[in-house]
Amino acid sequence: NAGVTQTPKFQVLKTGQSMTLQCAQDMNHEYMSWYRQDPGMGLRLIHYSVGAGITDQGEVPNGYNVSRSTTEDFPLRLLSAAPSQTSVYFCASSFYTGTSGNTIYFGEGSWLTVV
Amino acid sequence: GQQLNQSPQSMFIQEGEDVSMNCTSSSIFNTWLWYKQEPGEGPVLLIALYKAGELTSNGRLTAQFGITRKDSFLNISASIPSDVGIYFCLTSGTYKYIFGTGTRLKVLA
Repeated sequence: NAGVTQTPKFQVLKTGQSMTLQCAQDMNHEYMSWYRQDPGMGLRLIHYSVGAGITDQGEVPNGYNVSRSTTEDFPLRLLSAAPSQTSVYFCASSFYTGTSGNTIYFGEGSWLTVV
Repeated sequence: GQQLNQSPQSMFIQEGEDVSMNCTSSSIFNTWLWYKQEPGEGPVLLIALYKAGELTSNGRLTAQFGITRKDSFLNISASIPSDVGIYFCLTSGTYKYIFGTGTRLKVLA
């Protein structure tokens, strides 16, 4: 009963380093998305995907890259980490009809610190 | 980005009291979802609503999808200390979920 699985849970990066946050879901959801949550704030959409091979930008896409080669996986890449990218990252997935989203399931979060 | 108006922003209540919070929007939506987020955890679904007027319960939690499709409320009855956390509503537009601003609940034993 895995749901949405994110790795790693915690990561410390140096400024300028690159890394990939992994996200996998086993519910056959077409829709997958990445959010960041800064202290005391709500979740902001980084990138999303409506199916394999299709991705689009959210609210705060700068500095992040995504790809969707399979239905199950949606990795988030930080190209050159900056301290402003210190945050908690959540991956999420759902069924989506285009105009109406169904229940969205969130991963447990990845805590990223950039020093 | 677009957000839903959620109130109250925070509340302290005594254990055993009932709690009520709501989300409103100027737009019509087809879905209202309520989540709880505890410190260090991801958001967890509490109740999902898909039809105007729908009233759904989950234990001590009850939520309703407003008739106008522009609002929803969540009630928690007989609160307990483990109800502490941030509660927020979600709805969905065109391939993007829209989040409420959150209600931070603190329960005093």
